[in-house]
Amino acid sequence: AQTVTQSQPEMSVQEAETVTLSCTYDTSESDYYLFWYKQPPSRQMILVIRQEAYKQQNATENRFSVNFQKAAKSFSLKISDSQLGDAAMYFCAYRSANKIIFGKGTRLHILP
Amino acid sequence: DAGVIQSPRHEVTEMGQEVTLRCKPISGHNSLFWYRQTMMRGLELLIYFNNNVPIDDSGMPEDRFSAKMPNASFSTLKIQPSEPRDSAVYFCASTRTGDNYEQYFGPGTRLTVT
Repeated sequence: AQTVTQSQPEMSVQEAETVTLSCTYDTSESDYYLFWYKQPPSRQMILVIRQEAYKQQNATENRFSVNFQKAAKSFSLKISDSQLGDAAMYFCAYRSANKIIFGKGTRLHILP
Repeated sequence: DAGVIQSPRHEVTEMGQEVTLRCKPISGHNSLFWYRQTMMRGLELLIYFNNNVPIDDSGMPEDRFSAKMPNASFSTLKIQPSEPRDSAVYFCASTRTGDNYEQYFGPGTRLTVT
C-alpha cells in the first residue's frame, strides 16, 4: 500500500530565509502525481505545487520549488525568501488512479 | 465558479444526535471525496465517488457513518448516532479527470459533538 511520510512535525524559519520541508513516499506504481498543499489558519486547503512522476524536471512556482528524487521516493519542498504569509501546515500528497494519500503535515512557523 | 461548497460551516450537536454534512462539488467535476481532519490522525480519506458511484469507502470508520451522492451536484455525509470522538473538521473535495489529478477542497465543516 502507498504511504506518505513527513518526518518533521514542526519547523521554524527566519523571515526572508530558505526552508526545506521533507516528504518521502512508498509505492510500487510508476504513474502517479505528487502535491504539496498549504493549510493556513483559515483551514482552506490550497495547492502549492504539483509534480508528475514521469517528468524529471523539478516543478517550480515562484518562491516554491521541489526536489523530486524518484528513485529515492523523495519529494521535498523548498520555500525561498520566506514570508509571514507562508506560516501554515504543509501537506505532502501522493495520487494515482483517483486515490490520494496525505502525509501527517508539517507546521511551518515564520519568525519575524 | 464558486468552488466546492460545504454546509454548514460549523455544527455543534449533542451525543446521539444525527448529523448531516453537505457538499456541492465544482460543476463538471466527476469525482468527489470526503475527508476528516483531526489533530491526532491528520487528514483521512473517508470515501470517494466517481460519477456518483462510491468507489472506495474503506476509510469510513464504522456503520454510524454513511455517504450518498444522489446526483453529480450534491453529496451528503451522515453520522447517526454521533459521538464526541467524531468531533473534527470534515472536508469535501472534487476533481475532474484530466486536471492532473488536482483536488479542489471546500472550506470544511467543523463538527463538535458534546
